[in-house]
Amino acid sequence: GAVVSQHPSWVICKSGTSVKIECRSLDFQATTMFWYRQFPKQSLMLMATSNEGSKATYEQGVEKDKFLINHASLTLSTLTVTSAHPEDSSFYICSAPQGVNQPQHFGDGTRLSIL
Amino acid sequence: QKEVEQDPGPLSVPEGAIVSLNCTYSNSAFQYFMWYRQYSRKGPELLMYTYSSGNKEDGRFTAQVDKSSKYISLFIRDSQPSDSATYLCAMCFSGGYNKLIFGAGTRLAVHP
Repeated sequence: GAVVSQHPSWVICKSGTSVKIECRSLDFQATTMFWYRQFPKQSLMLMATSNEGSKATYEQGVEKDKFLINHASLTLSTLTVTSAHPEDSSFYICSAPQGVNQPQHFGDGTRLSIL
Repeated sequence: QKEVEQDPGPLSVPEGAIVSLNCTYSNSAFQYFMWYRQYSRKGPELLMYTYSSGNKEDGRFTAQVDKSSKYISLFIRDSQPSDSATYLCAMCFSGGYNKLIFGAGTRLAVHP
């Protein structure tokens, strides 16, 4: 069964709206989670590493004020797309490793459509 | 040169065929190697996870890692239409908390 849960699975909203996406680890604690973005027919692009109790680490070119990450508990990380615009429309996916030297498991993704 | 090279396909095979999917990489420091399957509009699903060189088998799936050649493979035996998906190879320097480097993904279609 799924070990990482992501919500919502699909959101459509107007330009200028802020959208929050949740990523939860099920039955395990995740001190680190990862946020990816995926465009159609392309591979996953890492956006940031979410660290419980500290600031997220963003990849080069990713605006940290645009994509706010909060990892307030050991089972929940959130990604907020602030003042979203049509170019932010994409498939956002989170992942979490179950432990040291364990593989990352992915959520089912959130399809974000900004009108 | 990309760190991980993977032919995007598409690859079309008849049901029952043996499928071979491959990735090459340039950084010899990679230690952990993974194969994920991704259906359309879903997150990647872990299929195989291997450390260092060698083979690993799980049902119809076999993963091979050849670190000397910097080459990894995934074999699917007795392929089924339900195997039609995008297959992503991924690797990292050490396990768990380190970021993954993905290949482009290979789109596979298994037709009845």
